Amino acid sequence: AQSVTQPDIHITVSEGASLELRCNYSYGATPYLFWYVQSPGQGLQLLLKYFSGDTLVQGIKGFEAEFKRSQSSFNLRKPSVHWSDAAEYFCALGSARQLTFGSGTQLTVLP
Amino acid sequence: DAGITQSPRHKVTETGTPVTLRCHQTENHRYMYWYRQDPGHGLRLIHYSYGVKDTDKGEVSDGYSVSRSKTEDFLLTLESATSSQTSVYFCAISESAGGGTGELFFGEGSRLTVL
Repeated sequence: AQSVTQPDIHITVSEGASLELRCNYSYGATPYLFWYVQSPGQGLQLLLKYFSGDTLVQGIKGFEAEFKRSQSSFNLRKPSVHWSDAAEYFCALGSARQLTFGSGTQLTVLP
Repeated sequence: DAGITQSPRHKVTETGTPVTLRCHQTENHRYMYWYRQDPGHGLRLIHYSYGVKDTDKGEVSDGYSVSRSKTEDFLLTLESATSSQTSVYFCAISESAGGGTGELFFGEGSRLTVL
């Protein structure tokens, strides 16, 4: 069975600081991995995705993620956080017909 | 923004009553999904559809049924609502299956409260 774990329920960072959100997965084949963001009261929006090739992928809004097969991880990073990045972030794993989501990480940004 | 409309957006109902949530898309995408979102659980797949009249169960399908009689509409029905089905329900669509492009486009959600 496939699963996604986001070990951090809530992270607080100061505006301008760097950010790393952790994601670990369990899957028996080559994974398709994604990061989505959800602003309050909204649906989810895709930030970036990894299928194959370069293990460092760039996304929208200045985010990037690195796939590490040896660690079964796909961590999301941003070098300098903006107040508008405050939201909930979901890592997801794709299989044949569906996506499996992690439980999410709530990001708070302090001024 | 992808053309996805969920209705109703908010509903309060009583235990034991039937409830139907509707998802309507204008994108002509083949795949449609119903998720529920609960604190600490992220999004969990209820049912999905890979074509007209083609549906399958997700990980939390008990107590829910779906129907898709035409490409643009995907209905989620709670035959007899229970308090454990209080949640926010999201519809999503995609051109290809979840492991394909993986880009799901989400509706704005339907908040259901079962008293």
